[in-house]
Amino acid sequence: DAKTTQPPSMDCAEGRAANLPCNHSTISGNEYVYWYRQIHSQGPQYIIHGLKNNETNEMASLIITEDRKSSTLILPHATLRDTAVYYCIVPRRVSFNKFYFGSGTKLNVKP
Amino acid sequence: DGGITQSPKYLFRKEGQNVTLSCEQNLNHDAMYWYRQDPGQGLRLIYYSQIVNDFQKGDIAEGYSVSREKKESFPLTVTSAQKNPTAFYLCASSISSGGYTGELFFGEGSRLTVL
Repeated sequence: DAKTTQPPSMDCAEGRAANLPCNHSTISGNEYVYWYRQIHSQGPQYIIHGLKNNETNEMASLIITEDRKSSTLILPHATLRDTAVYYCIVPRRVSFNKFYFGSGTKLNVKP
Repeated sequence: DGGITQSPKYLFRKEGQNVTLSCEQNLNHDAMYWYRQDPGQGLRLIYYSQIVNDFQKGDIAEGYSVSREKKESFPLTVTSAQKNPTAFYLCASSISSGGYTGELFFGEGSRLTVL
């Protein structure tokens, strides 16, 4: 498995960029990095995923290092509604993806 | 709108009773999943199903059972054999075709409390 390591919590000021790191040093060449978030007592929400190139969508940007051992999720202008637990996941590549959600990073966006 | 519907949202059960949680999706996804979440913890996989009439145990299947008789439905039964059933239960679905699995789409969850 490609394990992921994330800090348990981070703070960010409203309107500033939130940069959430993730280490995945055992990732294999064909494994994707996925990011989800979970707002309290709701189902997790897909944010973005990538293989080796940087990716951007309407929610966030994903920066993956050249050696693919780590990545950073960037929320460019954090709002109070972005307060959530953010999960970095590298699904197991057996015959079928299995997404394993660890403890994630609790992002606290403060006014 | 396409999505995943879980019901009920809240459920109370007495010890020794079985309870079934419903999960329905209209996304035309082949794969469906059940996760359990305890307070302050991540999600743990209970069961998953790649196609109709087939399902596999996840990491914590003991005390749970599932069925997949229709593509859009994947109900979870929490049996009396489950020692600590009080938890937040999440259902998800994804595309699964030709060895490719897409991202997971989740329902809003069902919170089960055993009295």
